[in-house]
Amino acid sequence: NAGVTQTPKFRVLKTGQSMTLLCAQDMNHEYMYWYRQDPGMGLRLIHYSVGEGTTAKGEVPDGYNVSRLKKQNFLLGLESAAPSQTSVYFCASSPDGTSPNEQFFGPGTRLTVL
Amino acid sequence: GQNIDQPTEMTATEGAIVQINCTYQTSGFNGLFWYQQHAGEAPTFLSYNVLDGLEEKGRFSSFLSRSKGYSYLLLKELQMKDSASYLCAVMDSNYQLIWGAGTKLIIKP
Repeated sequence: NAGVTQTPKFRVLKTGQSMTLLCAQDMNHEYMYWYRQDPGMGLRLIHYSVGEGTTAKGEVPDGYNVSRLKKQNFLLGLESAAPSQTSVYFCASSPDGTSPNEQFFGPGTRLTVL
Repeated sequence: GQNIDQPTEMTATEGAIVQINCTYQTSGFNGLFWYQQHAGEAPTFLSYNVLDGLEEKGRFSSFLSRSKGYSYLLLKELQMKDSASYLCAVMDSNYQLIWGAGTKLIIKP
């Protein structure tokens, strides 16, 4: 099992460009999450999904959109990138959203917006 | 507001014991998690507490006091590979994880 995978691993964008980050999991998990991690701050939830075809806003959703057309995939889109979106983005999945099921993380995508 | 506090950085010696504290104030409580994150890598699950008391897992133990809003992670027989950041996270009433900023642990020979 590959677990949770993310593509790409690194990306540099210019302000105003768009891109999509892809997350895939092969554990048949219902819940999937997108986080961003910035220096000196905890992981912050951007959007999450509780099942195929569903999405919901997290703590910092502005400037991002998501889609969950297939259970195993969760896409994060940036329509018009801004320097404030320079960050490391982690995708995670869990069997469901309730305790104690832990979240499993992908390797991350390092995004720089110039 | 919701808040998770943990020290920014700690230093310990190989073979020793270190305790990393975490205090929290959240809207609801559905469990506390500890994750390990090596530099440039993804967080990986270490432990989970939902009831008061100590959970032991090999060299690592985690303690919880819900009345005090307090947890600690205890690492014994420290090894160089334990150099990493340790993240405390609380699952709130909406079953979402609220994360601390992490404690960077430096192990010296």
